[in-house]
Amino acid sequence: GENVEQHPSTLSVQEGDSAVIKCTYSDSASNYFPWYKQELGKGPQLIIDIRSNVGEKKDQRIAVTLNKTAKHFSLHITETQPEDSAVYFCAYNDYKLSFGAGTTVTVRA
Amino acid sequence: DTEVTQTPKHLVMGMTNKKSLKCEQHMGHRAMYWYKQKAKKPPELMFVYSYEKLSINESVPSRFSPECPNSSLLNLHLHALQPEDSALYLCASSQESGIHTQYFGPGTRLTVL
Repeated sequence: GENVEQHPSTLSVQEGDSAVIKCTYSDSASNYFPWYKQELGKGPQLIIDIRSNVGEKKDQRIAVTLNKTAKHFSLHITETQPEDSAVYFCAYNDYKLSFGAGTTVTVRA
Repeated sequence: DTEVTQTPKHLVMGMTNKKSLKCEQHMGHRAMYWYKQKAKKPPELMFVYSYEKLSINESVPSRFSPECPNSSLLNLHLHALQPEDSALYLCASSQESGIHTQYFGPGTRLTVL
C-alpha cells in the first residue's frame, strides 16, 4: 500500500476502551474506502465502508469518518471486546484495492 | 450469502510440481481476483477477471497462470514455483470490477519446498 499510510502499526487497548486507526491517501480521485478485519488464519472480512459523498458512517460499535479535503479516513471501535483482536486494513479503491500496511489490534481482558 | 470458498486450505509442493488452486462463488459476481499475502503484509493484487476475461495482470511471473472457466469459478495454476512464492493466496469477488465491495475467501496457505 504505498499510496495509503496507516497508523498505528500496533495498538493495545483495555477491554471496554476505544480504538482508533487512521489512514491517509494520496489519490484524490478515490471515492470508495473499505475497512477489512483479518483474524489469524482467515481471509480479510469487510467490516465497514464509506463512499466519498458521506462524511461518517456507523454500524453498532464501529464507525468510519472521511475527510476528503485532508485525504484522511479513520476507523473507530468503541467498547472494545477480546474478539475485536485482529489485523485491520484500510483501503481505497480506484481501479483496484490499495491497502494500508495494517494495524494489529490487541484487546486486553 | 457473501461466501467465497477456496480449496485446498493448505498446499505443500516442490519446485518441480504442478498444482492448482480453486476458488468458487455463487453470488452472481462478475469480477474475481487473485491476491498474494505474505506474513504481516497486506494483500497484493495479482490478477483480475471481469466477465470471465483477464482484465488486469499485475506483472505476475508466468509460473502463475490464472483461468476462469465460468462466472463462478477461478483457478490459479502453479508450475515451477520458488520458495519465495510461499504465501497465503486469497481469492475475492465483487459484483463488477472497479469501485465495488470485494469479498474474500479464507485463502490457501502455500508452502514451496
